[in-house]
Amino acid sequence: AQTVTQSQPEMSVQEAETVTLSCTYDTSENNYYLFWYKQPPSRQMILVIRQEAYKQQNATENRFSVNFQKAAKSFSLKISDSQLGDTAMYFCAFITDSNYQLIWGAGTKLIIKP
Amino acid sequence: GAGVSQSPRYKVAKRGQDVALRCDPISGHVSLFWYQQALGQGPEFLTYFQNEAQLDKSGLPSDRFFAERPEGSVSTLKIQRTQQEDSAVYLCASSFNQGPSNEQFFGPGTRLTVL
Repeated sequence: AQTVTQSQPEMSVQEAETVTLSCTYDTSENNYYLFWYKQPPSRQMILVIRQEAYKQQNATENRFSVNFQKAAKSFSLKISDSQLGDTAMYFCAFITDSNYQLIWGAGTKLIIKP
Repeated sequence: GAGVSQSPRYKVAKRGQDVALRCDPISGHVSLFWYQQALGQGPEFLTYFQNEAQLDKSGLPSDRFFAERPEGSVSTLKIQRTQQEDSAVYLCASSFNQGPSNEQFFGPGTRLTVL
């Protein structure tokens, strides 16, 4: 079965700190794509960052970066210089080449405190 | 419009009623997805369209759920004889083309409450 596990239901950090959200996944496929999505309170889901499994280099988008460990099936998200607007639910997800079903984790609620 | 829109945003139904949820994807987007998100959980895949063709409906939980996209743009998710376990947020997403790596753009969702 294909699964995503986010072991941190909730995290809270001070503004400007760095925070890392963990994600592990399980699939027998070799070609897949990993995503972190952000769902702010009462707002829609938006893509934060994407990683192709065939790429060894970790993806980076401004303050957001990932630590992708393919052998360990781990895909953590690091947010640097956290801002109040980063407060949201963060979901880790992946999709394989063999179908179009995004498989999602249960999410981590991230709270940035002023 | 600039993004994916869904209507209604909120729907309250009595158990046994039929409901229809509408999704307007971004213009020109080939792929359209429906997800069900229970309270406090991540979304779960329901179904996928490529243009007007429903290529995967394996996530639909029962035969009470039906989705269509007859002209390859607007899509409707219909739930017949609603049950309390159908209460959830139903998310629609679209992407520009058919590759699985493409970013999916999400609508605001329809929150369905079945009493």
